Amino acid sequence: DTEVTQTPKHLVMGMTNKKSLKCEQHMGHRAMYWYKQKAKKPPELMFVYSYEKLSINESVPSRFSPECPNSSLLNLHLHALQPEDSALYLCASRRTPGTIQYFGAGTRLSVL
Amino acid sequence: GESVGLHLPTLSVQEGDNSIINCAYSNSASDYFIWYKQESGKGPQFIIDIRSNMDKRQGQRVTVLLNKTVKHLSLQIAATQPGDSAVYFCAEIPAGGTSYGKLTFGQGTILTVHP
Repeated sequence: DTEVTQTPKHLVMGMTNKKSLKCEQHMGHRAMYWYKQKAKKPPELMFVYSYEKLSINESVPSRFSPECPNSSLLNLHLHALQPEDSALYLCASRRTPGTIQYFGAGTRLSVL
Repeated sequence: GESVGLHLPTLSVQEGDNSIINCAYSNSASDYFIWYKQESGKGPQFIIDIRSNMDKRQGQRVTVLLNKTVKHLSLQIAATQPGDSAVYFCAEIPAGGTSYGKLTFGQGTILTVHP
């Protein structure tokens, strides 16, 4: 089983809203990732968590706030987003040690 | 045929043909390479991987070739089927233990298979 589950599948929010994206995996993977993907572009790395600690922040604006409450869960809290933040947000996890990242289906976010 | 320009490269093939998708990578120190398939509305799906100390690796209907001399990676799909239609991304992982498995993705290639 290589399943990474993301909820919700779709999200529409206004620029003043606060929302959260959720990612869950039960494979025992201790590395988890958030990516942003625009149409017809490759995924862009946002954050990396390793053993529940934030290891990489790719200079992401503070309106995106990641959280890793436990080894199976990864959240992305959204606040005061801009229309240009509309994109597909992907979560991935990786066994440690290991190399292959397994992706969820993503959350399609629209900011109005 | 294949075209490269301001848009994603595209490859159109007939069902049953073999497909070859190419990728040029940038970092000669990359230790590991992965091919992902992304269908419309879905996340990237792992297809096959290869270490830098290998030239070729085969899976079910897929083969990855690595040419380190010219920093080139290719994915060959045998007997291409309509279900293979998707965007294909290559990704590289640098050597060293501090990258946290960070992937560097290629720009992607759109494969369209016509029945």
